[in-house]
Amino acid sequence: QQQVKQSPQSLIVQKGGISIINCAYENTAFDYFPWYQQFPGKGPALLIAIRPDVSEKKEGRFTISFNKSAKQFSLHIMDSQPGDSATYFCAASLGYGGSQGNLIFGKGTKLSVKP
Amino acid sequence: GAGVSQSPRYKVAKRGQDVALRCDPISGHVSLFWYQQALGQGPEFLTYFQNEAQLDKSGLPSDRFFAERPEGSVSTLKIQRTQQEDSAVYLCASSNTWDRVTYEQYFGPGTRLTVT
Repeated sequence: QQQVKQSPQSLIVQKGGISIINCAYENTAFDYFPWYQQFPGKGPALLIAIRPDVSEKKEGRFTISFNKSAKQFSLHIMDSQPGDSATYFCAASLGYGGSQGNLIFGKGTKLSVKP
Repeated sequence: GAGVSQSPRYKVAKRGQDVALRCDPISGHVSLFWYQQALGQGPEFLTYFQNEAQLDKSGLPSDRFFAERPEGSVSTLKIQRTQQEDSAVYLCASSNTWDRVTYEQYFGPGTRLTVT
């Protein structure tokens, strides 16, 4: 059973456009939802994260929207740039640090931003 | 400051060989995680250490996989009698357990293991 489902699998956006990636989760006990960016040959790097007590969080061009009742959250990248071309992963975890802090990842979305 | 480092970055092993993958976490980080990332997939949890204690090894796929962190800093993931299905990128991440504001995990670049 896949606990975090991510879509789309791939996404092509024109420079300056908005990229939107969606995730849905099953376990209502999850309380931390990060998005990671991964370039080829590199490890994942944290972009932005949200807790379920807020519905939206914005950092620069990146925004997370969170819908607790629907058990869904999404990443919006505004003014997408070619340098944003990478694979994006949503994730979720159960609790504060400890062994419950292990992240459960979606399958990833490969974003290509065309100049 | 230095991030998480892993070595080797690439490892080719013949089926049946034993391999050892090393992780140097960020200095002072209490928590250390190992993940396995198959090609085109998201990382999957393998095991977790808090200092030198291995508190969760529920993600290890078989008893051929073994991890240790004897002094609470550097960790080694060992795979015995490697099989082709072990081919993947092995990622290490560390975090500061005592930071209750964020659960941020810092990932290393990974070790790409290819079993031939």
